Amino acid sequence: DTAVSQTPKYLVTQMGNDKSIKCEQNLGHDTMYWYKQDSKKFLKIMFSYNNKELIINETVPNRFSPKSPDKAHLNLHINSLELGDSAVYFCASSRVRGGGTGELFFGEGSRLTVL
Amino acid sequence: GESVGLHLPTLSVQEGDNSIINCAYSNSASDYFIWYKQESGKGPQFIIDIRSNMDKRQGQRVTVLLNKTVKHLSLQIAATQPGDSAVYFCAENNQFYFGTGTSLTVIP
Repeated sequence: DTAVSQTPKYLVTQMGNDKSIKCEQNLGHDTMYWYKQDSKKFLKIMFSYNNKELIINETVPNRFSPKSPDKAHLNLHINSLELGDSAVYFCASSRVRGGGTGELFFGEGSRLTVL
Repeated sequence: GESVGLHLPTLSVQEGDNSIINCAYSNSASDYFIWYKQESGKGPQFIIDIRSNMDKRQGQRVTVLLNKTVKHLSLQIAATQPGDSAVYFCAENNQFYFGTGTSLTVIP
């Protein structure tokens, strides 16, 4: 069973569209994250949720809206997509509260291409 | 902002040789460091971590060395195998920023 699964794996869309990426973890973790990896492989955090509560928002434009319906799910909705949003988006989860130490469990990534 | 980085963006080693991947950090208050491996088309996977009260920690074929004096850590992979080809990231404490990683290529 996949511990952290995200869908879709690939997403190609036009500028200005709205799209969502879904993430689910079956590890029983309280904390989930979204990370963004650009074309140069630079990987950085976007958001963290602990038990459905937003605890970290790393200066992400408000076109990005995470939603956590329960602690096993963290979805990412992006409005008015721009070319610069093209990247691979990774969902992750951890036992510890966001910003703490300990292993992160990453999904396989969702590659978003904005044309 | 980001406070970890890696010395070399790419590293090529012969199969069977040892690999050393380096990482520098700038925050002297950092007390936890972690290494991840990212294979092509996959998400990062945990390799090993170390706390600042240690200088060295060993895992299976991997060793992490921490030098707090010069704010440097390294990941050593013994007897490198083709399956070790990947991008390696180091991160500290809150794991907000991973940098751009070092791409390790193992030559058969």
